[in-house]
Amino acid sequence: QVQLQESGPGLVKPSQTLSLTCTVSGGSITFGNYYWSWIRQPAGKGLEWIGRIHTSGSTDYNPSLKSRGNILLDTPKNQFSLKLTSVTAADTAVYYCARDQWGRVVDWGQGSLVTVSS
Amino acid sequence: DIQMTQSPSSLSASVGDRVTITCRASQGVSNYLAWYQQRPGKVPKLLISAASTLQSGVPSRFSGSGSGTDFTLTISSLQPEDVATYYCQKYSSAPLTFGGGTRVEIK
Repeated sequence: QVQLQESGPGLVKPSQTLSLTCTVSGGSITFGNYYWSWIRQPAGKGLEWIGRIHTSGSTDYNPSLKSRGNILLDTPKNQFSLKLTSVTAADTAVYYCARDQWGRVVDWGQGSLVTVSS
Repeated sequence: DIQMTQSPSSLSASVGDRVTITCRASQGVSNYLAWYQQRPGKVPKLLISAASTLQSGVPSRFSGSGSGTDFTLTISSLQPEDVATYYCQKYSSAPLTFGGGTRVEIK
């Protein structure tokens, strides 16, 4: 069973870049036909898909982010990461990393709360 | 982009009641539709994929149906542990989109 764990700063200033890392254990990040995804959830609100990266390196992003997002794989460390630029208070949320099989999210991290505030 | 609309946004029902949640896609998504359960304070969990395929370990009181643009999630006999918010998600292509969620409570 694959396990995912998010890590990164819990507080980011407005206009700066949010950076999160997801460490995958229990399996190789390069094995199988999976996508590695980021999903967020503002407090008391619904789920918003941010984007994903395939084991091949190809990426997809939510157009609503207006090109602010960048997802990378770090295969030697068995990690993938999210960078979100020019953040505002609207980016405050719990950020989940996840494993996606053909688009179905089959495994989730525990979530990491990121607050955007000065 | 395809939008996913769930209804109702919340409902309250008694233990043992049959509960139905609907999800409508703004364009056809074939059967590329998943349902997730998120219990209070917990991580979402995949319940159903391909519109009607129950994931391993999910109680048989849960069922899904539909194709194209209209889908339903049914709980045949509501149990206290089913208190949660339920989300549909289309995965026919990126961007993957979730519905707004349906909060299910016990009356």
